[in-house]
Formats: sequence, structure tokens, C-alpha cells
Amino acid sequence: SQQGEEDPQALSIQEGENATMNCSYKTSINNLQWYRQNSGRGLVHLILIRSNEREKHSGRLRVTLDTSKKSSSLLITASRAADTASYFCATAQNSGYSTLTFGKGTMLLVSP
Amino acid sequence: DTGVSQDPRHKITKRGQNVTFRCDPISEHNRLYWYRQTLGQGPEFLTYFQNEAQLEKSRLLSDRFSAERPKGSFSTLEIQRTEQGDSAMYLCASSLPIIGTTPHNEQFFGPGTRLTVL
Repeated sequence: SQQGEEDPQALSIQEGENATMNCSYKTSINNLQWYRQNSGRGLVHLILIRSNEREKHSGRLRVTLDTSKKSSSLLITASRAADTASYFCATAQNSGYSTLTFGKGTMLLVSP
Repeated sequence: DTGVSQDPRHKITKRGQNVTFRCDPISEHNRLYWYRQTLGQGPEFLTYFQNEAQLEKSRLLSDRFSAERPKGSFSTLEIQRTEQGDSAMYLCASSLPIIGTTPHNEQFFGPGTRLTVL
């Protein structure tokens, strides 16, 4: 079953704009990860945020985590056409955290 | 290329046939995972190995599915008596061992095997 739900399901923006995707989940977690998937490269890990962290940055990516609301957001700044892909959040639960539970993803289209 | 590799990349089979997929993880990764992904959905966990031991299996893994990792290196996923509902992308991933209370490490995914059951 899918633990996380991303919002929106699809997002279309112009190059240079920022893109924000949200993820909600249901059970307590050890950490939350964001992955990107496109047809050329498959699933690629972007960033991991632990349950005791509130914000994390990596290059043009900014992730926030609110465990009280069981939600996370991924911000991509200054988007590029190459950012066009599907983005998934995945949660690792506190027990048996060796496996990941993915959401359904947000499809991002960045137009030149 | 030192990433996760999967073979074959595409498989078309007739209903009722058996199929086997192979996954070669990154060499120093002792954890290996199988996922299934259908169109418009995120990957769904199937099973997980630590070295050669299969430690977790999803309820999605019916008795027609069997996975092995005999020497703790490559893994195979076999589907017996395939059904049209088995059509999906089968993804393999690997990760480094978790030590103590270290949070779960990132998983490195292979390109997947796309299965079409006619």
C-alpha cells in the first residue's frame, strides 16, 4: 500500500520558476526521502531528511519535514528543463526501517 | 558501470508462462530490494535481502513469486504462471548496511525490467 501522497499530481512551470511539491504520510517515520524518476535514468535518490530534522538543503533542492502534520515539501529553485521528471517521496518507518514506502508521485514538466 | 544492473530490460510473455529476472547490485551493498511499479503509481515493495537472507516479504508477493540471492551477490525474481495483472516494471535496488542506529541509507535503483503479459 502507498504510505505517502504527493500533491499536486502534476505541475507545469516555466524554466527559472520554482517548483514546490508536497507529501503527506500516515505513520511515524525514521526518515523521509525524495526520489526522481525519468525515462532516461530510472529512480535517483535526491535527498534524505531524518525525523528529528526540520529542513535540509542540497544544491537547488530544499526539503522540509513537519512530523506533527506528517508532511514534507520539496522545493526546486530556478528550475531547468532537465528537471522534468516524476518526483516521489518515500518513507522509512521506525520499525523495520529497512524498506521504503513510496507515494504516487508528482509529475513535473518544466518548459523552456 | 558500477551501478545496479537488471536483466532483461524488457520481457514479453504469454499468460501462464514462467519468467525470471536478474539483478546485480552494487558490489559493496549487502542489502537488496525488489519493487514493482505500475503506470502512474510509485514503486511498491516486494521483498528484501540482507546478504543471502530474505528478511521481509510483502503481502503483494503471492506464492507464484519467489526471490533468491544464493551467494549474497546477485538476485533473481521468478514469477510462475504469469497473469496479465503481473504486467509492470520490476525494480531492483541496493543499499549499504545499516550500522547501529544509523538512519536508513539511500537506495540505488536499477533501470528495471518491464514485463508485459499477453
